[in-house]
Amino acid sequence: DTEVTQTPKHLVMGMTNKKSLKCEQHMGHRAMYWYKQKAKKPPELMFVYSYEKLSINESVPSRFSPECPNSSLLNLHLHALQPEDSALYLCASSGKARDKNSPLHFGNGTRLTVT
Amino acid sequence: ELKVEQNPLFLSMQEGKNYTIYCNYSTTSDRLYWYRQDPGKSLESLFVLLSNGAVKQEGRLMASLDTKARLSTLHITAAVHDLSATYFCAVAYAGTASKLTFGTGTRLQVTL
Repeated sequence: DTEVTQTPKHLVMGMTNKKSLKCEQHMGHRAMYWYKQKAKKPPELMFVYSYEKLSINESVPSRFSPECPNSSLLNLHLHALQPEDSALYLCASSGKARDKNSPLHFGNGTRLTVT
Repeated sequence: ELKVEQNPLFLSMQEGKNYTIYCNYSTTSDRLYWYRQDPGKSLESLFVLLSNGAVKQEGRLMASLDTKARLSTLHITAAVHDLSATYFCAVAYAGTASKLTFGTGTRLQVTL
């Protein structure tokens, strides 16, 4: 079982809908990430939060809006998505204090379909 | 821009055979990771390689890192069906703790 929990597991939404993806970890990690993965492709970095502050935004369209309410939670708010945004969205966390080399721990992902 | 390439992209091998997956990257890095992903599942961390010449082994898998050649290898010894999965290497920009770039992935199929 993964220690990074993502909800929902599956999401189908229309192009005019607003929805949110949620991610939670209780490992004391200080960095949290959103990745997007299309079928048979590697994960692509979207956002990184470090100590609850946005540190990396990989030029992601504004229809994706991240939020980090506290060190354990990470949200991704979705609005006016396009069908090409359909993908597996993976949350990850890493880095207890003084352990910058630790690997990313991934959640099981949310499979998003935009209709 | 950091580029990370793996080869082969697809590997079909018989149980009991040995093979190596290669991961090449384009710029200086101080950390390299290997992950496994089963179909429809999340990514599982396998190895963390932090220095030139680093070698890590777990069961039938052994990973190594040559930072001068910008090359990492994942060697599979006496493959078994349970190793069937997609394997990704991931490389961090030197000095950038949080930004990982994943390789293209190698889909391994071990046949009986």
